[in-house]
Amino acid sequence: NAGVTQTPKFQVLKTGQSMTLQCAQDMNHNSMYWYRQDPGMGLRLIYYSASEGTTDKGEVPNGYNVSRLNKREFSLRLESAAPSQTSVYFCASSEGVRSYSPLHFGNGTRLTVT
Amino acid sequence: DAKTTQPNSMESNEEEPVHLPCNHSTISGTDYIHWYRQLPSQGPEYVIHGLTSNVNNRMASLAIAEDRKSSTLILHRATLRDAAVYYCILRRLTSGTYKYIFGTGTRLKVLA
Repeated sequence: NAGVTQTPKFQVLKTGQSMTLQCAQDMNHNSMYWYRQDPGMGLRLIYYSASEGTTDKGEVPNGYNVSRLNKREFSLRLESAAPSQTSVYFCASSEGVRSYSPLHFGNGTRLTVT
Repeated sequence: DAKTTQPNSMESNEEEPVHLPCNHSTISGTDYIHWYRQLPSQGPEYVIHGLTSNVNNRMASLAIAEDRKSSTLILHRATLRDAAVYYCILRRLTSGTYKYIFGTGTRLKVLA
């Protein structure tokens, strides 16, 4: 049981480049989330998806777009990367409102924008 | 959004109990209190949760104040492997799902 899988694990971008961070879960969870964690800081919610086909903004959505491709996958896209987006990005999932389940996190993608 | 307040850091000796406090004065009646911890270079992992009553599981205990404006995570015997950042979070129902807003957490240092 892999849980939440994030790819890639590491990425270096130049300012202005674009990229998509991938996230997939194999727990049949309804809800998925993207967080960023800056050095020495807590996690901040970027976007979340209550269920397939729906997405909502979190605390810090500017500069990002998301796609809930299907129930398993939730991707995060940076259209024009900026140094301020240098961070560790975590994807998480949970069952949603129909039954209790805590958040399950991936191991993160470490992104550096130069 | 539902924010929590925690001390930045705490220290404990190995094998001793640790009490990690959290204030959540803006909690609403349906918010659950969750605790997660983050080991170095890993994603956060679930520790425990509660609504009104105190809770115990194999990892820890959660004591919730009667007015629910504060809670305390209790590690009964700290080990070196418990050194981590501990996050207290309010889980709030928003837009058809639960929203989890993390604060800055408490960095726990365990001394051998």
